[in-house]
Amino acid sequence: DSGVTQTPKHLITATGQRVTLRCSPRSGDLSVYWYQQSLDQGLQFLIQYYNGEERAKGNILERFSAQQFPDLHSELNLSSLELGDSALYFCASRRQGKSGYTFGSGTRLTVV
Amino acid sequence: AQRVTQPEKLLSVFKGAPVELKCNYSYSGSPELFWYVQYSRQRLQLLLRHISRESIKGFTADLNKGETSFHLKKPFAQEEDSAMYYCALSTDRGSTLGRLYFGRGTQLTVWP
Repeated sequence: DSGVTQTPKHLITATGQRVTLRCSPRSGDLSVYWYQQSLDQGLQFLIQYYNGEERAKGNILERFSAQQFPDLHSELNLSSLELGDSALYFCASRRQGKSGYTFGSGTRLTVV
Repeated sequence: AQRVTQPEKLLSVFKGAPVELKCNYSYSGSPELFWYVQYSRQRLQLLLRHISRESIKGFTADLNKGETSFHLKKPFAQEEDSAMYYCALSTDRGSTLGRLYFGRGTQLTVWP
């Protein structure tokens, strides 16, 4: 157990639907990062939050949004899902001033 | 712009043979370099970071700033080393604006 918890582990949904992925960072880590891993695109950075504030944005589609709550857990919302959104979605956390990013086990999203 | 290049998508060696997974980066400042390992598309696990100069599972990596490389090496490969290996670069030195830039990964297969 890395200390970063992601739920659910697997998700199967239909095109056009909306899903929410959840991430709880390691205790004490203020930064949360979301990455998408697909077979053809590798690991793509989506978005970063630090202590509730958005800090960096990567290749995140407008259909996707995220937030970090006061208890530091984060949610990634994916809407109007398309087949191409099928991927592994990883969350990572990091402690300020400390090297090393710790990853969760990921959520495997399948859009049918 | 920051960039991480892993030139080999696939690498196969026999058990007991030396293995080297190549990683080159481009960044104008002082980078933090990491190697992550992923078994069967599970959680990304931190293998090495250049700051710590550790040896994990027999793997070592040296940062060569002149050649902008951070190659991963192991003198005697084992079957259990078969996995996907990602080289990653962080530019933030622990600030709140950091993120990881990943290479495309190298799939290592160690044959018996």
